[in-house]
Amino acid sequence: GQQLNQSPQSMFIQEGEDVSMNCTSSSIFNTWLWYKQDPGEGPVLLIALYKAGELTSNGRLTAQFGITRKDSFLNISASIPSDVGIYFCAGRGDSNYQLIWGAGTKLIIKP
Amino acid sequence: NAGVTQTPKFQVLKTGQSMTLQCAQDMNHNSMYWYRQDPGMGLRLIYYSASEGTTDKGEVPNGYNVSRLNKREFSLRLESAAPSQTSVYFCASSDSPLRYGYTFGSGTRLTVV
Repeated sequence: GQQLNQSPQSMFIQEGEDVSMNCTSSSIFNTWLWYKQDPGEGPVLLIALYKAGELTSNGRLTAQFGITRKDSFLNISASIPSDVGIYFCAGRGDSNYQLIWGAGTKLIIKP
Repeated sequence: NAGVTQTPKFQVLKTGQSMTLQCAQDMNHNSMYWYRQDPGMGLRLIYYSASEGTTDKGEVPNGYNVSRLNKREFSLRLESAAPSQTSVYFCASSDSPLRYGYTFGSGTRLTVV
């Protein structure tokens, strides 16, 4: 089935570092969603984006809807231990009713 | 706490056995979903129910059946479990998934041996 390309697959970072991850699609999307999954839990919505170029923040998290409408970016500033988990992007275009999900970016804080 | 409740949390089945995963939501959402999550694959939609009384296939429906028992409950049944169905299963509900996202349950970890 169709999937988004999400990268990186995993990230090892030091506490306090900034984090960047992205998702790309081969087709145009009109909605991008970013979720976080804590261990043993279901994903939780972080940020929703609806317009090309849109930049939206949620605390230390900022996400952008790419101008080409084929990509989206998530940045986390000054990472803290509770940021660990898996971050998923999900998107929807005109040709797909249901959301399409990326494979996730696993964030790990170096001890 | 309001949300989506899934049972059981863990299950081990032998190949060929059947079982039903239960899901209930108390947010009065119209739409409910069943996903499976496999390493490196993200979430894949198995079945969904846009409203009470309707169900539709998602991306990977083979080997599964669903029942939307009422507005609150949406169950997933494996009639004859196979090792390929070893996965973590998530139920979700929503009224407006593109605006508010889904509310997910905490998952059922299923192992088929």
